[in-house]
Amino acid sequence: DAGVIQSPRHEVTEMGQEVTLRCKPISGHNSLFWYRQTMMRGLELLIYFNNNVPIDDSGMPEDRFSAKMPNASFSTLKIQPSEPRDSAVYFCASSDFGGEWNTIYFGEGSWLTVV
Amino acid sequence: KNQVEQSPQSLIILEGKNCTLQCNYTVSPFSNLRWYKQDTGRGPVSLTIMTFSENTKSNGRYTATLDADTKQSSLHITASQLSDSASYICVVSAYGNQFYFGTGTSLTVIP
Repeated sequence: DAGVIQSPRHEVTEMGQEVTLRCKPISGHNSLFWYRQTMMRGLELLIYFNNNVPIDDSGMPEDRFSAKMPNASFSTLKIQPSEPRDSAVYFCASSDFGGEWNTIYFGEGSWLTVV
Repeated sequence: KNQVEQSPQSLIILEGKNCTLQCNYTVSPFSNLRWYKQDTGRGPVSLTIMTFSENTKSNGRYTATLDADTKQSSLHITASQLSDSASYICVVSAYGNQFYFGTGTSLTVIP
């Protein structure tokens, strides 16, 4: 399997622009996670989907962030409008069960810089 | 308050030496504890997962221990290699799919 696939790997955008990050989980996995990582705060869970349904979005920073999972093989994380403080690495991860017991596999991350 | 604290923040060791990383947590109700290795510029990779009833788990030269009574875990690396240079992240799960992350220990192995 190719693992969790994220795109773009790197993006530089101007403040106020819309940013869309994409993720393809491992085939057969029913749980998908979006994380954000910064030097200051480390890894933070933003949102967690199970069977394409958002289960916990308490980590989403504010209304500028939204995530969707229209089917089992695709998810997006959108930031609109983007701000410099959104600069971070955004990881998508997937697991083949609820995520509590099974290994969570991470993608290589999307490196976002908002200037 | 549910928290995960890791120590030391950073560590430098000579190749071939052993080292131990610490993780203390206050997460409740505890479900499981995971150790991840994150190479620079890459996504985290799972090393071990331990549940309440497990005291130790090994993955090659990596051995994790868990003391659920004192809420402490350690990751022991034996005979370190240059490729062990990475950040090691402790993640504690509470029931209900709540995940709490440590800020990681940055390990540098030098020749």
